[in-house]
Amino acid sequence: EIVLTQSPDTLSLSPGERATLSCRASQSLTSTSLAWYQQKPAQAPRLLIYGASIRATGIPDRFSGSGSGTDFTLTVSRLEPEDFAVYYCQQYGRPPWTFGQGTTVEIK
Amino acid sequence: EEQLVQSGAEVKKPGESLRISCKGSGYKFTDYWISWVRQMPGKGLEWMGRIDPSDSDTRYSPSFEGHVTISTDRTTSTVYLQWSSLKASDTAMYYCTVVTTGYWGQGTLVTVSS
Repeated sequence: EIVLTQSPDTLSLSPGERATLSCRASQSLTSTSLAWYQQKPAQAPRLLIYGASIRATGIPDRFSGSGSGTDFTLTVSRLEPEDFAVYYCQQYGRPPWTFGQGTTVEIK
Repeated sequence: EEQLVQSGAEVKKPGESLRISCKGSGYKFTDYWISWVRQMPGKGLEWMGRIDPSDSDTRYSPSFEGHVTISTDRTTSTVYLQWSSLKASDTAMYYCTVVTTGYWGQGTLVTVSS
């Protein structure tokens, strides 16, 4: 089973700042089968990025994904008030598919 | 509009059986695998398993295999998640989703309590 470790657990930032979230896989993902989700309280997760770097439909271009192999990054170039939430990465290249434990982006 | 619509909240007792559903619409149902994801109260997301609606091929996470069953009914474009004997630790929100498309159900809250 591929274990995904996200860092940091919590990121305290102000609106307008840049957020950099990391997701490290315990084994190399043979393809870029890595997705990022945003989840707000009492809501279903929302797909932001798939294929490691492809923005999902309707996602603002301040969200970007990068990486390959075992190291992946989600960057939010300038945080808007609505971006404060929990973010999860997921690998869907090798079963069982797995999620990271999540990173909370909170207002500083 | 593509969507996944899940069945409503359930309250059950330990040992009871349960089946919850996820109905796809607005897209070709057999084109995409559907996964189930568990979220226990205050916790993160856990992938439980997925089914290919075109041929019913199913894969489970080892953490859930043997405790739940995922099935599909192509005639109604519906995927199911079922338990034969619930435990209190099954209390959670359950989501169905299609990875890479952004389709998520609204979630089904399952509460198991004596």
